[in-house]
Amino acid sequence: SAVISQKPSRDICQRGTSLTIQCQVDSQVTMMFWYRQQPGQSLTLIATANQGSEATYESGFVIDKFPISRPNLTFSTLTVSNMSPEDSSIYLCSVITPGQYGYTFGSGTRLTVV
Amino acid sequence: DAKTTQPNSMESNEEEPVHLPCNHSTISGTDYIHWYRQLPSQGPEYVIHGLTSNVNNRMASLAIAEDRKSSTLILHRATLRDAAVYYCILRDDKIIFGKGTRLHILP
Repeated sequence: SAVISQKPSRDICQRGTSLTIQCQVDSQVTMMFWYRQQPGQSLTLIATANQGSEATYESGFVIDKFPISRPNLTFSTLTVSNMSPEDSSIYLCSVITPGQYGYTFGSGTRLTVV
Repeated sequence: DAKTTQPNSMESNEEEPVHLPCNHSTISGTDYIHWYRQLPSQGPEYVIHGLTSNVNNRMASLAIAEDRKSSTLILHRATLRDAAVYYCILRDDKIIFGKGTRLHILP
């Protein structure tokens, strides 16, 4: 299965600032997704990162707050904009590769907003 | 999205089999049943999936009811490393996670 490198692994940020999280995959993937996992909770899908076009956002998530880029088949970024303490979560990248049944998840970025 | 229902938590003794149930009464004919697990401080990992027939792989077995309205993930011999949150998911083009079952393994 694909190997995902997600950076940074953790960060502490000031409220009002923005953080960009990178997801690099070692092979071309069919689909890429971004999830959020708030403390003690399950994962919530933020959006599907579409290559060469705007991401598809789930209900409750908007592009102005979580802009996403996917310039090619192996790389995507998620930006958390104008952060508040409520944005403190783990953010995970997920991919599916051709011929694979299961999704592969990155190890996540643990974000703390102070 | 079709929903699944799982117990919030379960306990099992080490080296004993574990049966994790999942109800999905609104499943459609084309929905695959997927199981993922999330070990502490890690991202979820794929465990197994099936459509109608029971499935086995190196990690687990999946038993699917004849009417497909429920399924059971079977860990044949649980170890402490199997302590995790287990998610039963009906696969569409994207994965929507429910709350899952937190499995505790007792030494």
